[in-house]
Amino acid sequence: QVQLVQSGGEVKKPGASVKVSCRASGYTFTSYGISWVRQAPGQGLEWMGWISTYNENIRFAQKFQDRVNMTRDTSTNTAYMELRSLRPDDTAVYYCVRERGTYCDRISCQGYFDDWGQGTLVTVSS
Amino acid sequence: DIQMTQSPSTLSASVGDRITITCRASQSIGAWVAWYQQKPGKAPKLLIYDVSTLERGVSSRFSGGGSGAEFNLTISSLQPDDFAPYYCQQYDTFPWTFGQGTEVEIK
Repeated sequence: QVQLVQSGGEVKKPGASVKVSCRASGYTFTSYGISWVRQAPGQGLEWMGWISTYNENIRFAQKFQDRVNMTRDTSTNTAYMELRSLRPDDTAVYYCVRERGTYCDRISCQGYFDDWGQGTLVTVSS
Repeated sequence: DIQMTQSPSTLSASVGDRITITCRASQSIGAWVAWYQQKPGKAPKLLIYDVSTLERGVSSRFSGGGSGAEFNLTISSLQPDDFAPYYCQQYDTFPWTFGQGTEVEIK
């Protein structure tokens, strides 16, 4: 079955960077893109961006464009999300999600999220 | 960005009730809406996509409908396991956006 297993929780100081990993199994990694969605404590869901696991096409929400990077390693079926210049309001659970949809292919996607990682809590505090 | 506004924010209901949650988009978004359920401490779970298509393995108690800018999620007969927050999501226009959530609680 499809599994997305994320790295463990992190505690960071303001201004630092964090890199979260997401290892996929149970399907052909390069056939589906990966999005990253975050959820601040007690709050709703926020889409951050998407990466094609096939050719590393990337699409970011403008809010994160200057601070986030997404990469993937096809040799280990792992996607990564790095967020820089962390602020206390970046404290959240970060999810990697497999994106699927009628108009999805290996290099672009207009889709929804059918499988989710378990989430990684990133705490930003001085 | 397209704003997705869910109503109500909280819905109190009893086991066996039929309930409907509404999601209004700030502009027309075609048929590109999904719904998720989230249990405490867990990742959201996909229930419905493309407005009304039930995800494999999801109970037929759940159904979705709507068009244009107004969409809804209906649970035909609430079960104890259904009390949870629910979120809508649009994937018509980048960035994908979610509603703020509807908490379905026990009356």
